[in-house]
Amino acid sequence: GAVVSQHPSRVICKSGTSVKIECRSLDFQATTMFWYRQFPKQSLMLMATSNEGSKATYEQGVEKDKFLINHASLTLSTLTVTSAHPEDSSFYICSARYPSSGNTIYFGEGSWLTVV
Amino acid sequence: AQSVTQLGSHVSVSEGALVLLRCNYSSSVPPYLFWYVQYPNQGLQLLLKYTTGATLVKGINGFEAEFKKSETSFHLTKPSAHMSDAAEYFCAVSGNNNDMRFGAGTRLTVKP
Repeated sequence: GAVVSQHPSRVICKSGTSVKIECRSLDFQATTMFWYRQFPKQSLMLMATSNEGSKATYEQGVEKDKFLINHASLTLSTLTVTSAHPEDSSFYICSARYPSSGNTIYFGEGSWLTVV
Repeated sequence: AQSVTQLGSHVSVSEGALVLLRCNYSSSVPPYLFWYVQYPNQGLQLLLKYTTGATLVKGINGFEAEFKKSETSFHLTKPSAHMSDAAEYFCAVSGNNNDMRFGAGTRLTVKP
C-alpha cells in the first residue's frame, strides 16, 4: 500500500514551547490529510482535516490557535502544537487520502509527544 | 454524519479458534467501511475495506469482513487465530468527504 511517514516518531519538549510534527505522503499526492489524537488505550479522535492550499477544518472542541495545521504541498502537512502543556502529551497520527486507490486512507506511524 | 460502535472492548480467543470482532455503523450516506489494526506504539495498518460491490471483503493476514446493510454491520472474522494477531482493532466509517470516524477499538488477546 501507499506510504505515509511521520516525523519525529517521538519528541519530548518543555512546557511552553512549540513542537512541529510532519506528515508526508511518500509515493502519492494527497490533496487531503487528516490529523488524529489518541490517548492511551483509547480510540482515535479526529482533530482536523487538512486540504492542500487552504485552511484546515477543525473538529468541534479543537483549538485551532493551539494546534496549527499547514498543508503547503500535496505531499506534506504539518501539525504544530503551540505553547505545549503536559495535557497535550499524546499520540498524534496523521493520515492521507490516496485518490488513485479508491480514496483509501493510509496512516502514518504516529508521533509520541511528551510535554514535561 | 457517521459513527461506529464496536461491541466488546476486549476479546480473548485461543490460538486456532475463530476470531469475531463486531462492528455496527451509522451513516446518512452509503458508507465506506474499514478495519485497521494497531500494534503497540505504532500507527494503523489497513486490514480491509468495503466501498462498493461485493459485500464479503477479504483482507490481509486471513481476515475478512461482510457488509450487511440490513444489519448495519461490518463484523471482522478470521477462521483461525494466530498469536501474531494480538493487537488493537479499529472499525471505521467514512462518508462523502472521507473524514473517517473510528470505533472505540477492540483489543484482541490470543491465548496459546
